[in-house]
Amino acid sequence: DIQMTQSPSSLSASVGDRVTITCRASQNIRSYLNWYQQKPGKAPKLLIYVASSLQSGVPSRFSGSGSGTDFTLTISSLQPEDFASYYCQQSFNTPYTFGQGTKLEIK
Amino acid sequence: EVQLVESGGGLVKRGGSLRLSCAASGFTFSTYSMTWVRQAPGKGLDWVSSISSSSTYIYYADSVKGRFTISRDNAKNSLYLQMNSLRDEDTAVYYCARLYSSASPLDYWGQGTLVTVSS
Repeated sequence: DIQMTQSPSSLSASVGDRVTITCRASQNIRSYLNWYQQKPGKAPKLLIYVASSLQSGVPSRFSGSGSGTDFTLTISSLQPEDFASYYCQQSFNTPYTFGQGTKLEIK
Repeated sequence: EVQLVESGGGLVKRGGSLRLSCAASGFTFSTYSMTWVRQAPGKGLDWVSSISSSSTYIYYADSVKGRFTISRDNAKNSLYLQMNSLRDEDTAVYYCARLYSSASPLDYWGQGTLVTVSS
């Protein structure tokens, strides 16, 4: 199975900050990497697919990059509604594993 | 508008069975693969099972293989998860989600249904 490792597990930041979350795959997954945002008590929401494509309706302050084994999610200027948990997921091979998540909190 | 609505969760004894359903609307259900993802209380997301549009391809996580069965009825726009021999560690919110095909992202999710396994 492909292991997905996110860092950091938690992060404190302020409104307006630039934030980067990383995700590392245990083997080459090409660009089959997706990012989701989840708020407490809600279903996850797709933000970024195939590493760098922005899902329709998602603000342009979110961006993704990477290929192979190393990927990043960047939020260019944090807004109050961005404080949530973020998960990466590989869709290269079953089982379609998720990272353990990054909880983004207000500083 | 795409909608996915799960049902069938509840409290079940260890070793018991439960069948989850996911009713889909707002898109051509028969052309999409579907997936179940679960989330234990306070934990991360855990992929459970996926099924292709015509049920030709079915995949399971090792943790549920042999105990859970995914199925779909395209005539009823519905996805199912039959869960047998339930264990404490199956306690979670179960989400159904849509994907266009294997290797696609999960672009729409239901609101989830809670399954609690008690001893």
